[in-house]
Amino acid sequence: DGGITQSPKYLFRKEGQNVTLSCEQNLNHDAMYWYRQDPGQGLRLIYYSQIVNDFQKGDIAEGYSVSREKKESFPLTVTSAQKNPTAFYLCASGPGPQYEQYFGPGTRLTVT
Amino acid sequence: AQKVTQAQTEISVVEKEDVTLDCVYETRDTTYYLFWYKQPPSGELVFLIRRNSFDEQNEISGRYSWNFQKSTSSFNFTITASQVVDSAVYFCALTHPPQAGRRALTFGSGTRLQVQP
Repeated sequence: DGGITQSPKYLFRKEGQNVTLSCEQNLNHDAMYWYRQDPGQGLRLIYYSQIVNDFQKGDIAEGYSVSREKKESFPLTVTSAQKNPTAFYLCASGPGPQYEQYFGPGTRLTVT
Repeated sequence: AQKVTQAQTEISVVEKEDVTLDCVYETRDTTYYLFWYKQPPSGELVFLIRRNSFDEQNEISGRYSWNFQKSTSSFNFTITASQVVDSAVYFCALTHPPQAGRRALTFGSGTRLQVQP
């Protein structure tokens, strides 16, 4: 089945630890995106990548890092520098910036 | 600058009622794209529709319909004869062609729709 997978669904970490969220797609899409969603709010863009080995900061990139070594994979690292990392993280992919995006099931990160 | 406003935070209706979700957008560009997504309680966003700025024709898909009006910068979404399964958060979003600079979606804050049986 074609789609986007994110793992794990729930993640718990202690404050001060870096954590990496996985995102894989088999839709052969060039573009991939990471969004953050806080309770009762919309989605805010963290990072996006239009092609392999290239990525751009979104609106709230501070405290996060990404890599795009393969077309299918776009992992997100939440570093200890992110002041309020507890949130729901959504990964998406799409054919290009002006087209629809397809979303994964999300990872709910809790940092205590 | 681009912005999407969904002024209705939460709407509650009874099953079989019709309901309209409002979306107002701001952009300086003449070419842009509008979207609606549905986020059920499971959390995964589901794509519903994409519309480009040169196509103002209204669209109907089953019980769903969309009304795009450039004159009022609105892209409203109507669900006819609502059902409990329509309960979700609905997001309106905006983007532009790559040459306009911004390469990702700008989302509204969402409207939570609750359909009571």
